[in-house]
Amino acid sequence: GAVVSQHPSWVICKSGTSVKIECRSLDFQATTMFWYRQFPKQSLMLMATSNEGSKATYEQGVEKDKFLINHASLTLSTLTVTSAHPEDSSFYICSARSGQGTTEAFFGQGTRLTVV
Amino acid sequence: AQTVTQSQPEMSVQEAETVTLSCTYDTSENNYYLFWYKQPPSRQMILVIRQEAYKQQNATENRFSVNFQKAAKSFSLKISDSQLGDTAMYFCAFMNYNAGNMLTFGGGTRLMVKP
Repeated sequence: GAVVSQHPSWVICKSGTSVKIECRSLDFQATTMFWYRQFPKQSLMLMATSNEGSKATYEQGVEKDKFLINHASLTLSTLTVTSAHPEDSSFYICSARSGQGTTEAFFGQGTRLTVV
Repeated sequence: AQTVTQSQPEMSVQEAETVTLSCTYDTSENNYYLFWYKQPPSRQMILVIRQEAYKQQNATENRFSVNFQKAAKSFSLKISDSQLGDTAMYFCAFMNYNAGNMLTFGGGTRLMVKP
């Protein structure tokens, strides 16, 4: 199957700083990427959907100014958590799909963010 | 909006036995896909099996099979000959083909396979 690489796997940052998480499709062009947040022992909650070259579509309740998503190329999407606070600590997962006609989404390994 | 419900937060099964995980969903759509994903302790999401709603035949992947009841909006996963490596969180997911292809996940079922 296709490979999606997410980096970093884990990060610890100080409260008030910003953190960038990268999601790369290594062997296919990802026209659509999705960002999820997963709290401990809970399910994945969709944060936003991004299509290459256009603005991301955020789910209700997700602050777009806090969670900046960029999908500038067909192989890279980034999520930047701005002015991070302890309540932003969570597991963030990206997934990518190669085209509208495809049904399978490939997932990155996830990033554990801890804000201290 | 779609909802996906997994009514079993935790389950356990003896190695080599069979276990069934339940999933129900609610939608007004007719063209959709259903998935079961596995999330082991590594947290990497792994696709287990996929079912197209327009197909009546239940999907099967080796030891994994589904019981898809479209009218009842039920999509259960059966794991046969359970192995220790099957220990993981299992998520049922729904995808509306005509609405951005985003996945809606159920709450998950934690499966423990006991030796």
